[in-house]
Amino acid sequence: AQKITQTQPGMFVQEKEAVTLDCTYDTSDPSYGLFWYKQPSSGEMIFLIYQGSYDQQNATEGRYSLNFQKARKSANLVISASQLGDSAMYFCAMREFLMDTGRRALTFGSGTRLQVQP
Amino acid sequence: EAGVTQFPSHSVIEKGQTVTLRCDPISGHDNLYWYRRVMGKEIKFLLHFVKESKQDESGMPNNRFLAERTGGTYSTLKVQPAELEDSGVYFCASSPTGSSPNEKLFFGSGTQLSVL
Repeated sequence: AQKITQTQPGMFVQEKEAVTLDCTYDTSDPSYGLFWYKQPSSGEMIFLIYQGSYDQQNATEGRYSLNFQKARKSANLVISASQLGDSAMYFCAMREFLMDTGRRALTFGSGTRLQVQP
Repeated sequence: EAGVTQFPSHSVIEKGQTVTLRCDPISGHDNLYWYRRVMGKEIKFLLHFVKESKQDESGMPNNRFLAERTGGTYSTLKVQPAELEDSGVYFCASSPTGSSPNEKLFFGSGTQLSVL
């Protein structure tokens, strides 16, 4: 079963507007973390924002915020005031803290390609 | 401070040949991960080192893939013999301790492997 689902293969947004990139996840582990990474055309993966499963407030990092709805198992990324440099692939990822296996790796979604138009 | 570096950035080989990818993590990071993304699909976990030990190799696709991290510093991922379906981007990532849920992974720029 898919652990992380990103249903939007591609998105367009006008410069200076806000955009929401969707991410839903599936886990039975009560302790987990959700991450968003950006991959520009240069290839490297850049960390954007993190949300812990026990965090009471939605995470924010500058123009990035995470709309965390735990009951619905969604962790959507909101980018405010889009800039041309925001054009990139965006990946949602989850780390489960499976104490019995010691697994610490991230599980990624398939990504959303965002294009910001002038 | 240097980030995670990967060599080569691109590799084109023929089916049946051998290729070795290298990853230099951020200095002092005990945890080193290998991931790959094939044909626009999601990024898949391959394996995780803690220092020189393999903590989790559940994502390794088959025995044609061999990863090492001698001395707990840089790591190599060898594919022998390479098959067409091995084509994709191979990412390396590192993190300091691996013990915190919110510890982020620092990624390299990846190695684009093309098997012809």
